[in-house]
Amino acid sequence: QKEVEQDPGPLSVPEGAIVSLNCTYSNSAFQYFMWYRQYSRKGPELLMYTYSSGNKEDGRFTAQVDKSSKYISLFIRDSQPSDSATYLCATPYSGAGSYQLTFGKGTKLSVIP
Amino acid sequence: NAGVTQTPKFQVLKTGQSMTLQCAQDMNHEYMSWYRQDPGMGLRLIHYSVGAGITDQGEVPNGYNVSRSTTEDFPLRLLSAAPSQTSVYFCASSRQIPNSPLHFGNGTRLTVT
Repeated sequence: QKEVEQDPGPLSVPEGAIVSLNCTYSNSAFQYFMWYRQYSRKGPELLMYTYSSGNKEDGRFTAQVDKSSKYISLFIRDSQPSDSATYLCATPYSGAGSYQLTFGKGTKLSVIP
Repeated sequence: NAGVTQTPKFQVLKTGQSMTLQCAQDMNHEYMSWYRQDPGMGLRLIHYSVGAGITDQGEVPNGYNVSRSTTEDFPLRLLSAAPSQTSVYFCASSRQIPNSPLHFGNGTRLTVT
């Protein structure tokens, strides 16, 4: 079982919609959770970073962690065509004596004008 | 700031050929890593390094070699290219895992025929 599971979509929404992107993780010891955004033919870039449980808000983006169900979510309010990208969740885990980042497979989002 | 620079951007190899993918970062990051990204498989860690002279294997290391002689550079060598190594390769660096984000290059698109 992969450390992080993510529905690959694709997901298509109209401009202005609220978008919900989700991941589940396997190890209850995980505490750091990240969301990366990847535009076509570019490398991923960090979008949101949360520690432990609860919500974190940054403009139109909210990252939520529910440790009881091992569920992480990214909400995008008032979605824009410029939000069209692939979104990847990630969490670090300790392997071979060092931390490594493991990624979900990514959800491809299209926001239609 | 250049960030993480990968060369070449595109490469076509014949089966059995060898080549080196270059990665350089100018942020003085100790942690560097190589990922490959394939449709339906997401980002998978190939090799990583926590500092000059220290490297370790990730999830999919077979067929690849790395070395880290300087903080700035982390080349990835394909020893004998196979069609299964057709992929997009990303180099990433970080000041510290897990407390700092990964900074990605824009990838090398490799096709092995």
